[in-house]
Amino acid sequence: GAVVSQHPSWVICKSGTSVKIECRSLDFQATTMFWYRQFPKQSLMLMATSNEGSKATYEQGVEKDKFLINHASLTLSTLTVTSAHPEDSSFYICSASFSTVNSPLHFGNGTRLTVT
Amino acid sequence: AQSVAQPEDQVNVAEGNPLTVKCTYSVSGNPYLFWYVQYPNRGLQFLLKYITGDNLVKGSYGFEAEFNKSQTSFHLKKPSALVSDSALYFCAVRDGRGSYIPTFGRGTSLIVHP
Repeated sequence: GAVVSQHPSWVICKSGTSVKIECRSLDFQATTMFWYRQFPKQSLMLMATSNEGSKATYEQGVEKDKFLINHASLTLSTLTVTSAHPEDSSFYICSASFSTVNSPLHFGNGTRLTVT
Repeated sequence: AQSVAQPEDQVNVAEGNPLTVKCTYSVSGNPYLFWYVQYPNRGLQFLLKYITGDNLVKGSYGFEAEFNKSQTSFHLKKPSALVSDSALYFCAVRDGRGSYIPTFGRGTSLIVHP
């Protein structure tokens, strides 16, 4: 149980275009989803916390107009990278959790974004 | 505030030998501790957690972790390493009194040599 599906697994786009990444909790309702960015051989950088039906809470230094997060339902959150630039190339990972502090996070398999 | 430290960037061990990946934490309330594993180009997978109770927690793939309150540590262990255990390991903590958002360590790369 507790499967999180993330699509696409990889995407290549041209500079200036927008890319949408979907994160779905397949067998449970996730009141909270987290979006992370990971650079090569580095730890996870939390970008934002997404709660169903409300605006996402962004971490300091993350541009909310560039990384649009929508959490329209208890099973779907999306991250849209707008006007992508080569420096946005990275590995983006979503995770979902039950709304209890002792619940682990369940992660998607990540999306490798390459902006040319 | 909550924090997690993984003091080793990399741990090398020979196949068949025991392995330990270290983690220490800091919280103001009760700690909720987690270990995750990440294989290349994949998301993280949950291995085990400590909430309360026995200090030795058993998890997936033969891994276990020992909670030590006095040393504020939660080291990940396995009695006999496999080459397939080679991956990136993350420790995470949630503070029972604090933020619902977990804090992750920087990760430790485990390399098991044949």
